[in-house]
Amino acid sequence: AQSVTQPDIHITVSEGASLELRCNYSYGATPYLFWYVQSPGQGLQLLLKYFSGDTLVQGIKGFEAEFKRSQSSFNLRKPSVHWSDAAEYFCAVGGGYGNKLVFGAGTILRVKS
Amino acid sequence: SQTIHQWPATLVQPVGSPLSLECTVEGTSNPNLYWYRQAAGRGLQLLFYSVGIGQISSEVPQNLSASRPQDRQFILSSKKLLLSDSGFYLCAWSTRGGETQYFGPGTRLLVL
Repeated sequence: AQSVTQPDIHITVSEGASLELRCNYSYGATPYLFWYVQSPGQGLQLLLKYFSGDTLVQGIKGFEAEFKRSQSSFNLRKPSVHWSDAAEYFCAVGGGYGNKLVFGAGTILRVKS
Repeated sequence: SQTIHQWPATLVQPVGSPLSLECTVEGTSNPNLYWYRQAAGRGLQLLFYSVGIGQISSEVPQNLSASRPQDRQFILSSKKLLLSDSGFYLCAWSTRGGETQYFGPGTRLLVL
């Protein structure tokens, strides 16, 4: 069965510091991988996605993620965090009939000034 | 461009009352449609998905049902709400055969 693990429930970083959010997945075939961001009380916004090809993908708002098949990971990174990045981040894996997505439990990012 | 709407934005309902949440998509045809529930402090759980009018797949047994009366309309219903139905309900769409889902603004449901 498909599953996604986000090991960190909360992360606090200083504004201007680098960020890495971890995501590990379990999927029986080549996965489609996604990172979404959610501000409080809002829907989810797509940050980036990986389907195939270059394992380092660029997204919106200066985020990037690297797919590592050997580690079953798809970690999200940003070189310099801004206060507006404070939100909850979800990793998801999908594919197959109906393109259903399985989400991780999310990581809440707090940015301190 | 495509947009997705959900209403109402917030709903407070007594236990045992019926429920109807609506989701509509504009700017696309034949989308796949999805209902998710997000409980406090937890990730998103897929409740239902639909690949066409009248075609509904249920992912988890529960007190809820879904219907798709029109191509771009997806409705989440319940005959009698339970306290455990409280949560944040998100609708999403993708193109037929597409891999990326796009989410609506959500409906916060509080059952008292």
